[in-house]
Amino acid sequence: DTAVSQTPKYLVTQMGNDKSIKCEQNLGHDTMYWYKQDSKKFLKIMFSYNNKELIINETVPNRFSPKSPDKAHLNLHINSLELGDSAVYFCASSQDVATGYLQETQYFGPGTRLLVL
Amino acid sequence: GENVEQHPSTLSVQEGDSAVIKCTYSDSASNYFPWYKQELGKRPQLIIDIRSNVGEKKDQRIAVTLNKTAKHFSLHITETQPEDSAVYFCAAGDGGTALIFGKGTTLSVSS
Repeated sequence: DTAVSQTPKYLVTQMGNDKSIKCEQNLGHDTMYWYKQDSKKFLKIMFSYNNKELIINETVPNRFSPKSPDKAHLNLHINSLELGDSAVYFCASSQDVATGYLQETQYFGPGTRLLVL
Repeated sequence: GENVEQHPSTLSVQEGDSAVIKCTYSDSASNYFPWYKQELGKRPQLIIDIRSNVGEKKDQRIAVTLNKTAKHFSLHITETQPEDSAVYFCAAGDGGTALIFGKGTTLSVSS
């Protein structure tokens, strides 16, 4: 049931480095998301993206940027990593969200555990 | 923006008992309320969801109720089993943005 997949599963890196996390979905969905889960298990939306619009959570530092080479992929690039970036990052996808319509179910990837030393 | 409050943060029950987790939301435009279960080290997985046009939905031992007037919704698990032990998250969405999650409830079912 690996409809949404992420790589790598674990990522250990030094402060100041730049890293990317890849996400792919084979569900034919139009909208993809990135969430951050901190040490207290709180799940917080970072970005939602479809081919029409990128919505950025205003609390996300601009060191984080989503990059989508095509509809099935949404990668997360992080510049100048900081200790506080250590967390689990989840990618998710859903059918296209059209304003005014009922929201569609989101399916999560397995997560990428990032540790910044 | 939307704010979702979830209670309790931890819940311990004996096997066979019922468990209830409650959430409140702030944005009256929210119309979709999913519940996710996250086992240790795993991804969140949808267990049940409810939309604003219904008041209750049931799937075997799991049920969700929604009170739009009071802006709260609840997850009910009956006849709990040890494998129900996990972190449960409620969430709210308004059809135009990503989901806003509650802070989670750690459910422990002891045999």
